[in-house]
Amino acid sequence: QVQLQQWGAGLLKPSETLSLTCVVYGVSFSNYYWSWIRQPPGKGLEWIGEINNSGSTIYNPSLKSRVTVSVDTSKHQFSLRLTSVTAADTAVYYCASSRRYSDYHWDYYMDLWGKGTTVTVSS
Amino acid sequence: EIVLTQSPGTLSLSPGERATLSCRASQSVSSSYLAWYQQKFGQAPRLLIYGASSRATGIPDRFSGSGSGTDFTLTISRLEPEDFAVYYCQQYDNSLWTFGQGTKVEIK
Repeated sequence: QVQLQQWGAGLLKPSETLSLTCVVYGVSFSNYYWSWIRQPPGKGLEWIGEINNSGSTIYNPSLKSRVTVSVDTSKHQFSLRLTSVTAADTAVYYCASSRRYSDYHWDYYMDLWGKGTTVTVSS
Repeated sequence: EIVLTQSPGTLSLSPGERATLSCRASQSVSSSYLAWYQQKFGQAPRLLIYGASSRATGIPDRFSGSGSGTDFTLTISRLEPEDFAVYYCQQYDNSLWTFGQGTKVEIK
């Protein structure tokens, strides 16, 4: 069964580091790129960063200075670190697939999603 | 950065009616990289349409996507009760994914 399970600390204080991990079950991990997306309360979706099986990353320029996405292919999991958090980083954070290798080409869409982790930043 | 602008912000319709949602890009988007998602309250987004017009697995045929260049449309031919939700368009370009701000389809 295809499943993305994510976990991490849900309550942080300002200036702390957010850490989340997502493990992937039921698909060929190397046939996908993997992303983190967040959604502040009552607002829209914001892409944070993406990684592939080789560890190559791209990041949203608005967050690039604070974000690191990493991968552990042996465990079929990838992780997000966001440093120096503030109240503006309060959001539901989702892990998702973001590219899929199929029929000798890459498709660009996010069809596999975790359930989301609510992260609150408050003193 | 390509900015996606969705309209209207809110669409008030009755079950059985047709819904037409617009997504306009600040510059031309490759159709291969344009997708639509549905999000219900408290849930993760669900992929509806990819490549501007291809339905994702398991998506009913009342959902259709069209458009090219800077103008894309998601059409729901006849609204079912479960279709009332928020819809987002998304694109990829130059190592950056962006989403539109969303259109809420609510029951009139």
